[in-house]
This record gives sequence, structure tokens and C-alpha cells, in this order.
Amino acid sequence: NAGVTQTPKFQVLKTGQSMTLQCAQDMNHEYMSWYRQDPGMGLRLIHYSVGAGITDQGEVPNGYNVSRSTTEDFPLRLLSAAPSQTSVYFCASRQGDSQNGRYTFGSGTRLTVV
Amino acid sequence: GQQVMQIPQYQHVQEGEDFTTYCNSSTTLSNIQWYKQRPGGHPVFLIQLVKSGEVKKQKRLTFQFGEAKKNSSLHITATQTTDVGTYFCAGPGSGGYQKVTFGTGTKLQVIP
Repeated sequence: NAGVTQTPKFQVLKTGQSMTLQCAQDMNHEYMSWYRQDPGMGLRLIHYSVGAGITDQGEVPNGYNVSRSTTEDFPLRLLSAAPSQTSVYFCASRQGDSQNGRYTFGSGTRLTVV
Repeated sequence: GQQVMQIPQYQHVQEGEDFTTYCNSSTTLSNIQWYKQRPGGHPVFLIQLVKSGEVKKQKRLTFQFGEAKKNSSLHITATQTTDVGTYFCAGPGSGGYQKVTFGTGTKLQVIP
């Protein structure tokens, strides 16, 4: 099993450009989420999904869209990139509907907006 | 909203010294998880604590969940250079277990 796969690993965008960060998992996890990591801020939840067709906002959703058409994939879209979105983005998945599930993280996408 | 704070934010220790990081939540947690992130890497699950006052050990690492289930600690005995990284605690957010809140993290540097 590959676990959680994120692409690309690195990306540089110009202000105003759009792009999609890809996340795929092969563990049949129902729950998937996107976090951004900034120095001194820890990991902040952007959006999450409890299953195909269901998404919800996290702590910092503005400027990002998500969709969940399949169990495996949970892409994150930046509609109009801003320098404030320069960050490291992690996708994470968790087994099922349990509050005790451990997170499996992808290797991250390092995004720079200039 | 719920806040999960960790102290210290940074810690430098000589190899062989002990290290402790503390996690404090503004609300009672049903469980708490700990993760380790190596420099340039991604968070990796270490352990989960569920019961009030629970203590779990993994070799040189000791994890504790407070009696009130609002705080937790991670203690590393005799640190090694392989312990370098950032340690995060995480717990179910005020919006329910679906919104897990991560602590701010403690970055550990071990000086050989």
C-alpha cells in the first residue's frame, strides 16, 4: 500500500493563479482532510470530508475549495493564489467514523506564492 | 473555539538529557494523540491516550493523559539525535471528533 500520496511535492505560483493539490489514499479510509502548516502555527485544518460527496469547512477554509467524488481522492483547489497561502500543505486520512482513528499523512506539498 | 497549546515551543538539549513537552487544551478531550514530525518530513502517529490518568510507554518515551483530560505530556528519557523533530499533540475539536485540533508543536533539537 502506498498510503497517502500527494502531488506535486513543490510548487511555485504567481499571485492570482489557480491550481489543484492532489491527494489520494489507497487504504479505503472514509475520512480525509487538508491541513496547512506555518511556522509557529502548528497544523491548521482547512477542509475535511467524512465520505464521498460530503465535505465541510475547517478552521481556515477561505481561498480554498474541495470536492470528494470518490473515496480515494480529495483534491484541494486554490482559486486565486495569494502570498498568504505560501505554506506546506498536508493531506491526511483516517479510518472510518471513529474518534479513535489515527491519522496517516501524505508527504506534503510545499507551495510558494510570489 | 478550542485551543490546544504546547510548551515549550522550542527546546535544545544535550544528547543524553531528558526532555518533556506539555500539551494543554481549553476543553476536555475524549482522547489525545501524539505525532512526531522529522525535519522536512510529515507527521507520523506515535500513540493515543483515552483514559483519565493514563500512562503509556514506548521505549524511552512516556506519555501521560491528565486526570481532568485537559492536558497531556510527553517525556523522553536520555535523548538521542534520532529524537530530533517536532512533537505535536492532537485532540478532537469543539466541533466534534471530525475536526481534530493539533497543538502548536514543540521543536526538539538534540546537541550531540
